Amino acid sequence: EIVLTQSPATLSLSPGERATLSCRASQSVAGYLAWYQQKPGQAPRLLIYDASNRATGIPARFSGSGSGTDFTLTISSLEPEDLAVYYCHQRSDWPETFGQGTKVEIK
Amino acid sequence: QVQLVQSGAEVKKPGASVKVSCKASGYTLNIHGITWVRQAPGQGLEWMAWISAYNGNTNYAQRFRGRVTMTTDTSTSTAYMELRSLRSDDTAVYYCARATSHALDIWGQGTMVTVSS
Repeated sequence: EIVLTQSPATLSLSPGERATLSCRASQSVAGYLAWYQQKPGQAPRLLIYDASNRATGIPARFSGSGSGTDFTLTISSLEPEDLAVYYCHQRSDWPETFGQGTKVEIK
Repeated sequence: QVQLVQSGAEVKKPGASVKVSCKASGYTLNIHGITWVRQAPGQGLEWMAWISAYNGNTNYAQRFRGRVTMTTDTSTSTAYMELRSLRSDDTAVYYCARATSHALDIWGQGTMVTVSS
């Protein structure tokens, strides 16, 4: 199965700063990668699909890039409500898999 | 609006089975698939299985094969996931999600399943 490795495990930044989250796949997933945000006590929410497309209603400060094995989720200017765990997810091959998550903390 | 509403929390004994339901509204169930994902306490997301609500095709993570059964009932727009031979490490929140060709775009609220003697 395809293993997704996210880094860093935890990111601690101040409001207004830029957050860069990484997801690396053990083999190519082409562009079949999505990002989800999970706030404490809530279900995950789709942020980005097909590596770089924002889902409906997602603010423009969230952007995704990459292809093949290396992907990035960028939050251009962190807001207090962005406190959450962020997961990447590949749909290139069965079984689908998730990364272990990156926790974003707000200083 | 488009949503998935799951059944309520369950407490089960080891060795028992649990069946979680996931009712779709705001769209036609058999247009997209349904994926099941679980999350153990304090842990990350774990992909379990997928079912096509159109033709019933399924795909399972190896560790759940033989222990999980998924079904859909288009007459009630409801998907079901049954997990058998429960163990304590099956204690988790179980989510259903709408699986489009792009991603898991709509998620249920989650169902807590506790396995305890």
